[in-house]
Amino acid sequence: DIQMTQSPSSLSASVGDRVTITCRASQRISTYLNWYQHKPGKAPKLLIYSASNLQSGVPSRFSGSGSGTDFTLTISSLQPEDFATYSCQQSYSTPRTFGQGTRLEIK
Amino acid sequence: EVQLVESGGGLVQPGGSLSLACTASGFNFSNYEMNWVRQAPGKGLEWLCFISSSGGTIHYADSLKGRFVVSRDNAKNSLYLRMSSLRDEDTAVYYCARNNVGAGGKNWFDPWGQGTLVTVSS
Repeated sequence: DIQMTQSPSSLSASVGDRVTITCRASQRISTYLNWYQHKPGKAPKLLIYSASNLQSGVPSRFSGSGSGTDFTLTISSLQPEDFATYSCQQSYSTPRTFGQGTRLEIK
Repeated sequence: EVQLVESGGGLVQPGGSLSLACTASGFNFSNYEMNWVRQAPGKGLEWLCFISSSGGTIHYADSLKGRFVVSRDNAKNSLYLRMSSLRDEDTAVYYCARNNVGAGGKNWFDPWGQGTLVTVSS
């Protein structure tokens, strides 16, 4: 199985900050990498697919990059609604493994 | 509106069984592959299983060890998860998610349902 490791596990930031979350795969996965946002009691939401493609309706302050084993999710200017948990997921092989999640909290 | 709604969660004793359902609306359900994913308290998301659009291809996470069975009824726009021999560690929010496939076989989950809570406890 491909292991996905995110860092940091939690992060405190302020509205307006630029934030970067990193995801590392245990083997090369090209750009078979997706990012999701989830909040308690709500459906997880797709943000970025295939490493760098912004899902329709997702604000342009979200961006993704990377290929191979190292990937990043960047939020250019944090908004109050962005405080949530973010998870990466590889879609290169089955099982479709997720990172452990990064909890983004208000400073 | 494209939507998935899970149902069937609840409290079940260890060793018991439970069936979850996921009802789709707003898209042609029979054209899409589907997945179940769960999140245990304090843990990350865990992919559980995949079923093709026809139901002819199914994959499970090894950790389920044959205790869970996924199925679908395209006439009813519904996906199911039959869970048996439940353990404390199966306590989680269970989500269904539609599989989307793009160029080069890349795929992603969208949308997801809001989840249904399964609690395994005596």
